[in-house]
Amino acid sequence: KAGVTQTPRYLIKTRGQQVTLSCSPISGHRSVSWYQQTPGQGLQFLFEYFSETQRNKGNFPGRFSGRQFSNSRSEMNVSTLELGDSALYLCASSLEGTARVTKTQYFGPGTRLLVL
Amino acid sequence: KNQVEQSPQSLIILEGKNCTLQCNYTVSPFSNLRWYKQDTGRGPVSLTIMTFSENTKSNGRYTATLDADTKQSSLHITASQLSDSASYICVVSAGSSGDKLSFGTGTRFAVRP
Repeated sequence: KAGVTQTPRYLIKTRGQQVTLSCSPISGHRSVSWYQQTPGQGLQFLFEYFSETQRNKGNFPGRFSGRQFSNSRSEMNVSTLELGDSALYLCASSLEGTARVTKTQYFGPGTRLLVL
Repeated sequence: KNQVEQSPQSLIILEGKNCTLQCNYTVSPFSNLRWYKQDTGRGPVSLTIMTFSENTKSNGRYTATLDADTKQSSLHITASQLSDSASYICVVSAGSSGDKLSFGTGTRFAVRP
């Protein structure tokens, strides 16, 4: 099976712009979660989608949004970019929910976003 | 204050040596604890998942332990190899359905020949 894929892998934007990142989960996986990773903060949970519905949400401002399509592919959007949004954005998929006890999350390689 | 604290922040050891990474948490109610390995430029890969009733779990040369009473976990790496060089992240799930995740900031681990 192909792993989790994320596009694009690298992205450079300027402040005030918006960006859309894409994630294709492993075939058959219905849960997709998004994370922001920075050197100082480590991994931070953004949100989780399951069957096209947002099931969990982290503590990020409304500029960060996402959606999931019927084929389980997911997109994440960040509007009005700020310098502090520069980070590695990781997507992870699993068969069921994020934290279902024995369900392993499989991470994609991430999209590295640089905001200038 | 982060609810998941990892130590040390970074560690360098010689190839073939053993080492132990620590994870202390205050998250409650506990659901499960996971250790991930993240190679530079890649996404994290799950090493172990432990629930409340499990106090040890192994994955090859990696052995994780959990003490739910003291809220501590450790990841022991035996006979380290150069390919073990990575960041190791501890993640604790809480809540009745385990859907609240708390992440440690990771231990950067380097193995030298």
